[in-house]
Amino acid sequence: EPEVTQTPSHQVTQMGQEVILRCVPISNHLYFYWYRQILGQKVEFLVSFYNNEISEKSEIFDDQFSVERPDGSNFTLKIRSTKLEDSAMYFCASLVGSVSDTQYFGPGTRLTVL
Amino acid sequence: GQNIDQPTEMTATEGAIVQINCTYQTSGFNGLFWYQQHAGEAPTFLSYNVLDGLEEKGRFSSFLSRSKGYSYLLLKELQMKDSASYLCAVRDYTGGFKTIFGAGTRLFVKA
Repeated sequence: EPEVTQTPSHQVTQMGQEVILRCVPISNHLYFYWYRQILGQKVEFLVSFYNNEISEKSEIFDDQFSVERPDGSNFTLKIRSTKLEDSAMYFCASLVGSVSDTQYFGPGTRLTVL
Repeated sequence: GQNIDQPTEMTATEGAIVQINCTYQTSGFNGLFWYQQHAGEAPTFLSYNVLDGLEEKGRFSSFLSRSKGYSYLLLKELQMKDSASYLCAVRDYTGGFKTIFGAGTRLFVKA
């Protein structure tokens, strides 16, 4: 069964550093998403991406965040200058795009900012 | 805006039935999902409702009433491995099919 993959599984970085989280969505899917989950808290929507552009973003997704689909398979989330409060699990998800479709989540990247 | 409420924790006994309720408010309703999440792992899809009524899938059933903004997840024949968080989530179509999650209900299954 096809699945969403994410790398790395765990990233440790120093405050102020840039990080890039990588995702490979399922190949025939058209909508791509990033969510985050701070430890012990709920899953929060960050951004949706369709047709090579951002279709919607949340208040969390400020200027320090950016997303890119540099080729036909990868979907990346960049955090330019990490803060302590960026420490969280980051989940990538994708779906085909039909009304009845469900999102498929990747296994997540645990980001730890020191 | 969007708001999703579900109980924080529930405890049930192995072999029993448990119902986890969820109420929601959203402007662009496009379906209600239930996910299971074990600690440190990604959410995994359990069920999807877009029309009123009951959807059954093995030991899991989910119900939706759009007029009441209400859903429940029913788990039958509980097993120890069902101990997890259960996330009620609403898909909102205001441009990108984003999914808004509730805080989750932590279910403890005891022997």
